[in-house]
Amino acid sequence: NFMLTQPHSVSESPGKTVTISCTRSSGSIASNYVQWYQQRPGSAPTTVIYEDNQRPSGVPDRFSGSIDSSSNSASLTISGLKTEDEADYYCQSYDSSDDWVFGGGTKLTVL
Amino acid sequence: EVQLVQSGAEVKKPGESLKISCKGSGYSFTSYWIGWVRQMPGKGLEWMGIIYPGDSDTRYSPSFQGQVTISADKSISTAYLQWSSLKASDTAMYYCARLPGYSSFDIWGQGTMVTVSS
Repeated sequence: NFMLTQPHSVSESPGKTVTISCTRSSGSIASNYVQWYQQRPGSAPTTVIYEDNQRPSGVPDRFSGSIDSSSNSASLTISGLKTEDEADYYCQSYDSSDDWVFGGGTKLTVL
Repeated sequence: EVQLVQSGAEVKKPGESLKISCKGSGYSFTSYWIGWVRQMPGKGLEWMGIIYPGDSDTRYSPSFQGQVTISADKSISTAYLQWSSLKASDTAMYYCARLPGYSSFDIWGQGTMVTVSS
């Protein structure tokens, strides 16, 4: 089994761009899709990126996802930051031994 | 509209049993896996297990195997998570979520807060 490691917190100013990383501990990041979930304070998670870089309908194109095999990591990039983007963000992938692995979460502060 | 609606918050004592629910609507309930995810206070998301309501095929995380039971009643489009003997350490928010394929979650329920305290 593998782990997904995220930075504990990131902060950036409104209007700027921020990138949150998610590094896979073993096995290739490309072997299973990566999803990203947003959890605003007091709310349930919602999906902002699925299958590495796909946006569900209704998610603004300010949100984008990518993977980088050289660093064995996935990234969530949010451009044109808004105060409403302040939330916890979790990456998630699947292990073929039937394990749905979540990263520890990253708290995004927009200040 | 596709949605999952969970049962309300619960306050229980240690040793009591509990069954919480997750009702799906707006899609074919029997055609998608449903998962349960725990979030302890101030902590991250943990996968507990999944069930395929079409035939009740169930998979558990090793961390939760034997600790909880996941079931479903397809006649009323509802999945369940139950405990036979709650512990204080079961205090958490529990989310159900639909799996659109098999490897990820797309639609999430609003969560059920379970508090276990003497």
